[in-house]
Amino acid sequence: DTGVSQDPRHKITKRGQNVTFRCDPISEHNRLYWYRQTLGQGPEFLTYFQNEAQLEKSRLLSDRFSAERPKGSFSTLEIQRTEQGDSAMYLCASRFPDAFFGQGTRLTVV
Amino acid sequence: GIQVEQSPPDLILQEGANSTLRCNFSDSVNNLQWFHQNPWGQLINLFYIPSGTKQNGRLSATTVATERYSLLYISSSQTTDSGVYFCAVVFGNEKLTFGTGTRLTIIP
Repeated sequence: DTGVSQDPRHKITKRGQNVTFRCDPISEHNRLYWYRQTLGQGPEFLTYFQNEAQLEKSRLLSDRFSAERPKGSFSTLEIQRTEQGDSAMYLCASRFPDAFFGQGTRLTVV
Repeated sequence: GIQVEQSPPDLILQEGANSTLRCNFSDSVNNLQWFHQNPWGQLINLFYIPSGTKQNGRLSATTVATERYSLLYISSSQTTDSGVYFCAVVFGNEKLTFGTGTRLTIIP
């Protein structure tokens, strides 16, 4: 499978716990994006990388959120001290020049 | 920042009908894509179309970059076409910005 892969597909966690999501992009794509989508809304930009450099972060990415892309390959998005408001679908995409999205990770904070 | 507006917000059609979805953007863009979000939430890439016209089966798209709009045409609609359609643009800072979406419902 040469598409964008995200893991896990679903995550249920208790409020206050930390969670980490992984995204494996299409190998030849140098740009990688993270988005968050809540019910009934469009995807909201969180951050993006060109290779290993994180070039932009949204104001939505509070200090509880951190993203990395070591060596410009896969990326991880970590949420610390999760809150109920973090419940959403987290989408990853890689692009060059057109963007392809993974199937998303659906996070539920209880 | 750039504004991306889609119309109509909702569209309900009988199976077999044709439809046109519109995407307006407020600034010059480097590229534009159309996506279909299926009921399971995955965004399916329909077209990469910074300018010109493309066709893929029953779907076609046209982008007039100088006038800052793009159109997605769906002919002979099927129930599997139901879902939310998004356009997304890239400009300047390389951020992919999504439009407001059109929710399409095809009735058998």
